Amino acid sequence: DQQVKQNSPSLSVQEGRISILNCDYTNSMFDYFLWYKKYPAEGPTFLISISSIKDKNEDGRFTVFLNKSAKHLSLHIVPSQPGDSAVYFCAARRNAGNMLTFGGGTRLMVKP
Amino acid sequence: NAGVMQNPRHLVRRRGQEARLRCSPMKGHSHVYWYRQLPEEGLKFMVYLQKENIIDESGMPKERFSAEFPKEGPSILRIQQVVRGDSAAYFCASSPRTDRRELFFGEGSRLTVL
Repeated sequence: DQQVKQNSPSLSVQEGRISILNCDYTNSMFDYFLWYKKYPAEGPTFLISISSIKDKNEDGRFTVFLNKSAKHLSLHIVPSQPGDSAVYFCAARRNAGNMLTFGGGTRLMVKP
Repeated sequence: NAGVMQNPRHLVRRRGQEARLRCSPMKGHSHVYWYRQLPEEGLKFMVYLQKENIIDESGMPKERFSAEFPKEGPSILRIQQVVRGDSAAYFCASSPRTDRRELFFGEGSRLTVL
């Protein structure tokens, strides 16, 4: 029962171009969404989040878009840099709980 | 550095042995979460604890796994009679309160069962 899905296991992008990572969810009780970045042999680090009452949140090179009707969110990174190469996890929180449900991750490779 | 501290970083056990993983949350954080990441998979929620209380253990296997967060000391995830399928990275996260949405993760403990 995968309530949060990241259908692309990997993505390769040229340095300077835009990276778009996608995430779909099924549970309409989710009210808060987060993106985490993970390097090998390290723990996930929080990147950016969005509340379900918004459709866009921007922080520097990172922007998260939320389409509630489609139960879809995306993370845009522009311009992409080689240091952005990592695994990106989408996560969602229910309004009646505190734990996060994670997607399977997308491995982003930014080529110089 | 007041980050989430996990130890050991790497643990090797033979089938049937016990594994104990420890987690010290960030200073001022009283909520601890354990997640497991199997190879090539995402993070799966296991258990959510506050000091001396298990709040949600819906992701914990019914047998062999237990967790605690005592009044004093770190949170401990205990796996008894380990099997090869327990080999995974176990991540601990903490938060200061329930209305703080993002969790802060440690670097993980990698368990290998021979």
